[in-house]
Amino acid sequence: GAGVSQTPSNKVTEKGKYVELRCDPISGHTALYWYRQSLGQGPEFLIYFQGTGAADDSGLPNDRFFAVRPEGSVSTLKIQRTERGDSAVYLCASSSPDITEPQHFGDGTRLSIL
Amino acid sequence: AQKITQTQPGMFVQEKEAVTLDCTYDTSDQSYGLFWYKQPSSGEMIFLIYQGSYDEQNATEGRYSLNFQKARKSANLVISASQLGDSAMYFCAMREGAGFQKLVFGTGTRLLVSP
Repeated sequence: GAGVSQTPSNKVTEKGKYVELRCDPISGHTALYWYRQSLGQGPEFLIYFQGTGAADDSGLPNDRFFAVRPEGSVSTLKIQRTERGDSAVYLCASSSPDITEPQHFGDGTRLSIL
Repeated sequence: AQKITQTQPGMFVQEKEAVTLDCTYDTSDQSYGLFWYKQPSSGEMIFLIYQGSYDEQNATEGRYSLNFQKARKSANLVISASQLGDSAMYFCAMREGAGFQKLVFGTGTRLLVSP
């Protein structure tokens, strides 16, 4: 079946602009996670949804970052007033109700802020 | 303190040999899960193997096995019969608690398999 789908795969924008990154999880996966991976580092947690609600948003770095999942499926990560330090690969993952099953990752969105 | 420590920034192995990638973790939870992911240069994160804290047997998945030493808080990945396609970054990650939780990743080990 289809894996986690993220769009766009690449996004280049200017400092100060607003961006939206989309994640379409595996069908039937109730949990959805956003991570950010900077060059040479492991992924860092941003936010986690269980259904439509954000169960843990402790990793969002500041109030410029916001994420939604209005119907419990597709999620959008929104970044306002982008800064050069926001440049990274943004990874989305989803998982099934079985907690012993792994999180399945999308290919990520490479965000570059000029 | 780091939750996940991977002390080997890079490892080299010859094709067909076995290699061990180290991972130590820090948690006070009794229930947790340990995961290994592979990230080739193309960027996707590929799940390799999972070990639950209550699992008594070491996990195995094909050529991958996990050397789980709970008292030492280590969860080393063993790759047997290395192949050229195994060249990639390898990340150890931990999920703390019993429910759906975030993963905390280490900094990764870059493995290079030579012919």
